[in-house]
Amino acid sequence: NAGVTQTPKFQVLKTGQSMTLQCAQDMNHEYMSWYRQDPGMGLRLIHYSVGAGITDQGEVPNGYNVSRSTTEDFPLRLLSAAPSQTSVYFCASSYSRASSGYEQYFGPGTRLTVT
Amino acid sequence: AQKVTQAQTEISVVEKEDVTLDCVYETRDTTYYLFWYKQPPSGELVFLIRRNSFDEQNEISGRYSWNFQKSTSSFNFTITASQVVDSAVYFCALSAYSGAGSYQLTFGKGTKLSVIP
Repeated sequence: NAGVTQTPKFQVLKTGQSMTLQCAQDMNHEYMSWYRQDPGMGLRLIHYSVGAGITDQGEVPNGYNVSRSTTEDFPLRLLSAAPSQTSVYFCASSYSRASSGYEQYFGPGTRLTVT
Repeated sequence: AQKVTQAQTEISVVEKEDVTLDCVYETRDTTYYLFWYKQPPSGELVFLIRRNSFDEQNEISGRYSWNFQKSTSSFNFTITASQVVDSAVYFCALSAYSGAGSYQLTFGKGTKLSVIP
C-alpha cells in the first residue's frame, strides 16, 4: 500500500493563480480531509469528506474548494491564490467506523508559497 | 465545540533527562478519542498513540508513557531518558463526533521539543 500520497511536494504560485493539490489513498478509507499548518497554529481543518459525493467545511474553508468523486481521491482547489494561503498542506484519511478509533493517516504534505 | 491546549510552546532538555508534554482538552461529548502525533524536522506526521474516553489506563511504550486523567481533562506525554532523535514538534489532538456520521480531529498548537546532546 502506498498509503496517502500528495502531489506536488512543493509549489510556488503568483497571487491570483489557481491550482489543484492532489491527494489519493489506497486504503479504502471513507473519511478524507485537508489541513493547513502554519507556524504556531498547529493543524487546522479546511474541508473534509465522509464518503464519495459528500463534502463539508472545516474551520478555515474560505478560498478553497473540494470535491470527492471517488473514494480514493480528494483534490483541493485554490481558485485565486493569495499570500495568506502560503502554508504546508496535509491530506489525511481514516476509516469512519467507530472501532478504528478514527486514527487518521497523513500524507507527506505540500509546501505552497504564494508570492 | 472542542479545544486542545498545549501550553508549552517550546521545551529544551539535555539528553537523558525526562520530559513531560502537557495536553488539556475540552469537549462536551462523552465518547471521544485522544491522540499524540510527532512531527520530526523532516515534516511528516507520525502517529504515536490513540486513547478512547472510556479507557483511563496509563500506557507505556518503551521510553514513552501517557497519562490520561478525565477528572482534569488531561492527556500528558512523558519521554524518559530523552534522546536527540526525540527532537520534534509534538501535537496532541482530540477527535469527537461532529455530526453527519463523522468525527473531526482538532489539534493543539504543538510543543517543540529540543533535546540537546
